[in-house]
Amino acid sequence: GQQVMQIPQYQHVQEGEDFTTYCNSSTTLSNIQWYKQRPGGHPVFLIQLVKSGEVKKQKRLTFQFGEAKKNSSLHITATQTTDVGTYFCAGQNSGGSNYKLTFGKGTLLTVNP
Amino acid sequence: DTAVSQTPKYLVTQMGNDKSIKCEQNLGHDTMYWYKQDSKKFLKIMFSYNNKELIINETVPNRFSPKSPDKAHLNLHINSLELGDSAVYFCASSPRGGTHNEQFFGPGTRLTVL
Repeated sequence: GQQVMQIPQYQHVQEGEDFTTYCNSSTTLSNIQWYKQRPGGHPVFLIQLVKSGEVKKQKRLTFQFGEAKKNSSLHITATQTTDVGTYFCAGQNSGGSNYKLTFGKGTLLTVNP
Repeated sequence: DTAVSQTPKYLVTQMGNDKSIKCEQNLGHDTMYWYKQDSKKFLKIMFSYNNKELIINETVPNRFSPKSPDKAHLNLHINSLELGDSAVYFCASSPRGGTHNEQFFGPGTRLTVL
């Protein structure tokens, strides 16, 4: 079945440093989504990427979707303590179920003030 | 105001018991989901319903039975609870499928089986 690998598993940074998490799928995706889960909270939808090579920005967050639609990244510039949480990518399989998302295992980001 | 709500928030029970978790969404979405998040934070889909019809049924023990009385509600009943069922269970909804399946998650139900 489809697998979505996400690295790194953990990342600890000093406030102000940049952070990147990477996502790789074993199959071509129709779209990829990113979620953030604060400690003790629930996943919250951040963004969806659909087109090959797509780049989207949300303030300090930059999301990319690879040309082959099999990988994606989330980059945070100048991290803040409010960025703490686990970031998940979730892929929808191209040609597969129209509803099923396969989540990566997430990257836990901690920020030292 | 709450978009996706779940009850109860915490559930502590003994092995062998039967328990239910309820979920409701007021977003007008067509599709609802149950996810299990284990202690390592891995999110795994269990079931999905679209307009009360079961559309995703992953490899989940028969002890787990979802029920959708209408498209705004999706409940999860678990029979003969086991230690390994301890996890956080999230309900989620999405507008529909395809590129409109961004998930809106409920606050979660932390299930502890003793």
